[in-house]
Amino acid sequence: DAKTTQPNSMESNEEEPVHLPCNHSTISGTDYIHWYRQLPSQGPEYVIHGLTSNVNNRMASLAIAEDRKSSTLILHRATLRDAAVYYCILRGVYNTDKLIFGTGTRLQVFP
Amino acid sequence: DTEVTQTPKHLVMGMTNKKSLKCEQHMGHRAMYWYKQKAKKPPELMFVYSYEKLSINESVPSRFSPECPNSSLLNLHLHALQPEDSALYLCASSQAGRDRGETQYFGPGTRLLVL
Repeated sequence: DAKTTQPNSMESNEEEPVHLPCNHSTISGTDYIHWYRQLPSQGPEYVIHGLTSNVNNRMASLAIAEDRKSSTLILHRATLRDAAVYYCILRGVYNTDKLIFGTGTRLQVFP
Repeated sequence: DTEVTQTPKHLVMGMTNKKSLKCEQHMGHRAMYWYKQKAKKPPELMFVYSYEKLSINESVPSRFSPECPNSSLLNLHLHALQPEDSALYLCASSQAGRDRGETQYFGPGTRLLVL
C-alpha cells in the first residue's frame, strides 16, 4: 500500500493562509489523494480530493505536484474552527472500498 | 441531507454486558462502515458492508458482531468486551464503496467505556 507522510503538528494565526504538506513518494498512477479532517469530539469530515490536477472547493484548495509525489492542502484564511487533525489519504485499486488513515497533522489556530 | 446519525452518544458497559450501537443514514448510500478510534490515534477500519452484505472484516474479534438489517441501518452488537475495547466507534457511509473518488460521510461516533 502506498503510504503518506505528514508533519505531526502545525500552527497558524487566524486569517492567515495555511499550507499543509503531504508526501506520498510511492503513489501509483491511479491513486486518488483525499483529505479529511477531524475536529475535536467529532467524526472525520471530507475536505477535498484530486487525482492529477489542482482542485478548489468552498473549504480548501488542493495543490498536487507535477510528479504526484507530494500534495498540499491550502486553507486560504484559517479560522479558529479550522483547528483539527488533517489526514492525507491515498485511495487506489488496493483500497477502493476503504479509507486507511495515517497519523495526520494536528493544526492549531491562534487568535 | 448528508447526515449520519449514531446512537447512543456515550455508553458505559461492564465486561459481561451485551449492548448494541446503532447507525443510520438516509442518503441512499449502499456502503456502510464501522471504524474504531482510540484516544490520540487515527480511525481504524473494522467492517465494511456493501449492498447489505459484509464485504470486509479487518480481523475483528468475534465479541464485535456487525449487522446490516437494511440499506439505511447498521448495527454493531457488543458482547463480553474488554477494557481495552474502550474507544470512539465511528460509523460512515458512502455511495457504493467502489469508486476511488468517492466521499465517505462520518457520524459523530459513540464513545464507549468498558469497565
